[in-house]
Amino acid sequence: GNSVTQMEGPVTLSEEAFLTINCTYTATGYPSLFWYVQYPGEGLQLLLKATKADDKGSNKGFEATYRKETTSFHLEKGSVQVSDSAVYFCALTYGGATNKLIFGTGTLLAVQP
Amino acid sequence: DAGITQSPRHKVTETGTPVTLRCHQTENHRYMYWYRQDPGHGLRLIHYSYGVKDTDKGEVSDGYSVSRSKTEDFLLTLESATSSQTSVYFCAISESTRGTVNTEAFFGQGTRLTVV
Repeated sequence: GNSVTQMEGPVTLSEEAFLTINCTYTATGYPSLFWYVQYPGEGLQLLLKATKADDKGSNKGFEATYRKETTSFHLEKGSVQVSDSAVYFCALTYGGATNKLIFGTGTLLAVQP
Repeated sequence: DAGITQSPRHKVTETGTPVTLRCHQTENHRYMYWYRQDPGHGLRLIHYSYGVKDTDKGEVSDGYSVSRSKTEDFLLTLESATSSQTSVYFCAISESTRGTVNTEAFFGQGTRLTVV
């Protein structure tokens, strides 16, 4: 079946460090891939997305590239800030009439000053 | 921000009682979803709707029912609440654009439900 696997947290970094959160997926067909972010006490919001192979999604300094050959969509940021502390979810949607999102388990990122 | 309102935001209820959570949207989006969020599990789909009166089960639907009598409202009912249903519940909406269904979802603020 369709699934998303992302690295377990928590990930603790110092401010200005490089961030990578790994995400791999299993899916039939050609899913769209997403990264969502959840700040404390809030709902999820879209961070970035990619809809086809080799697309790069980017937003707020975060990037992720849709790699079909490795079925991956790793999230990266060159220099994290304390305000980036949140839970990050990798997700996919696949074809059909329902547009259901399948989520990974989430990765907590804590950035220390 | 997408117009999605969940109510109540917090609720404590007793085991065995029925509970209804409401999701209201002002975006006129076709698709609506209920997820639950639990540590170590991410978000898991409970039920979803692809139109008025059109609903289907997600991966963790046992003990839950839904109704959608109009576009803007999607209700989630716990028929007889159990402690295992203590969780944070999120409503989400999405829409298809130009025949493409793989569009982003917008989430509500969540409802924290505690079953004692």
